Amino acid sequence: QVQVVQSGAEVKKPGASVKVSCKTSGYTFKSYDIMWVRQAPGQGLEWMGWISGYNGDTDYAQKFQGRVTMTTDTSTSTAYMEMRSLRSDDTAVYYCTRRTLYCIGGSCYSAGDVWGQGTTVTVSS
Amino acid sequence: DIQMTQSPSSLSASIGDRVTITCRASKSIDRFLNWYHQRPGEAPKLLIHAASTLQTGVPSRFSGSGSGTDFTLTISSLQPEDSAVFYCQQSFGTPYTFGQGTKLEIE
Repeated sequence: QVQVVQSGAEVKKPGASVKVSCKTSGYTFKSYDIMWVRQAPGQGLEWMGWISGYNGDTDYAQKFQGRVTMTTDTSTSTAYMEMRSLRSDDTAVYYCTRRTLYCIGGSCYSAGDVWGQGTTVTVSS
Repeated sequence: DIQMTQSPSSLSASIGDRVTITCRASKSIDRFLNWYHQRPGEAPKLLIHAASTLQTGVPSRFSGSGSGTDFTLTISSLQPEDSAVFYCQQSFGTPYTFGQGTKLEIE
């Protein structure tokens, strides 16, 4: 059974850093990528980027370039998302999700098929 | 970035109704379109990928159609558990942007 379990809620002060973990099980970690998505209170979903489970390659949304670092530990099948210089508008639930490729008719389509439960990050002085 | 626009932003319908939600991309994305729903307090759940392929385990009352810039999610017969926010997402190119969401309420 594929599972994705995230670390617990965090409360941080403005300017601090946070590191959220995403522990996976039930599948071959190196065969899939992990995407990160966040959701501010009462708002929609915002795609942050993804990291390859195979070689650690990353692709960040421009908005988060330079402030977010995604990493993996293949020995524990865990992905991490670290965000620095936190601001109040970074208050959100952060989700990780497994990126699966569905290859149909010569094209491969990606989607987040298994999601973590979310990690609430609160930034407040 | 590719902008995704959903309509309506919210709707209310009755059990058994047929419901349609639309999603428009700011440029052609072929069939690189996913649909998710999210119940309050829960993580999003993948319903449809590649515009029209039902994810394993998703009830057959859900269907998707479209290609290029215009897409549709249809629920053929609304059930109580379908009360949720629905999101489309393009996976044609990064950043994989989402629509703003459609809140579906059961009357």
